[in-house]
Amino acid sequence: GENVEQHPSTLSVQEGDSAVIKCTYSDSASNYFPWYKQELGKRPQLIIDIRSNVGEKKDQRIAVTLNKTAKHFSLHITETQPEDSAVYFCAASGYGGSQGNLIFGKGTKLSVKP
Amino acid sequence: GAVVSQHPSRVICKSGTSVKIECRSLDFQATTMFWYRQFPKQSLMLMATSNEGSKATYEQGVEKDKFLINHASLTLSTLTVTSAHPEDSSFYICSARGVGTQYFGPGTRLLVL
Repeated sequence: GENVEQHPSTLSVQEGDSAVIKCTYSDSASNYFPWYKQELGKRPQLIIDIRSNVGEKKDQRIAVTLNKTAKHFSLHITETQPEDSAVYFCAASGYGGSQGNLIFGKGTKLSVKP
Repeated sequence: GAVVSQHPSRVICKSGTSVKIECRSLDFQATTMFWYRQFPKQSLMLMATSNEGSKATYEQGVEKDKFLINHASLTLSTLTVTSAHPEDSSFYICSARGVGTQYFGPGTRLLVL
């Protein structure tokens, strides 16, 4: 089955700096890669996603890149703000088929210091 | 985005009792719902996949007789933790698959005394 590795487990940056979180996946059939932000005690919120037919996607300060050959994808947050502090999870799935179960990475706790 | 509700948000029960958690998709029909468990400072671990009108598919290591899942309609799935024990204390989150992605419920914090 799919296995998703996520690094780093913790990340501390100064306000205004960029943050990068990286994930690798094992199943080459996976074709959907969402990123979720989870604040303490709350539900994960989808912040951006990418499908395997796209190499990069951007939404304001957030961008995701995908390298299918290397089977890794990354989340980039620019001009970080204190409210970006949360735990971020990457996930992978073969969405579109009968499977489509999201397999999550272990999470990255991002701290943005003012 | 799509809305998924979960009830109750928090429950405290005695060891040996059963607890039922409801997950509803409020503004879309979800043929597939998922149940996750999350321990403190850990990631979401998929417990089972629930398909409307059929038996749930459980992940390895998850006891189907302990965690009963029912998906009777396109908008409702329930998870019943039977004979709960303190080690079952956790944050249980459901998600429903809509068009494009999964949407998560707000979670249920279960504390078994």
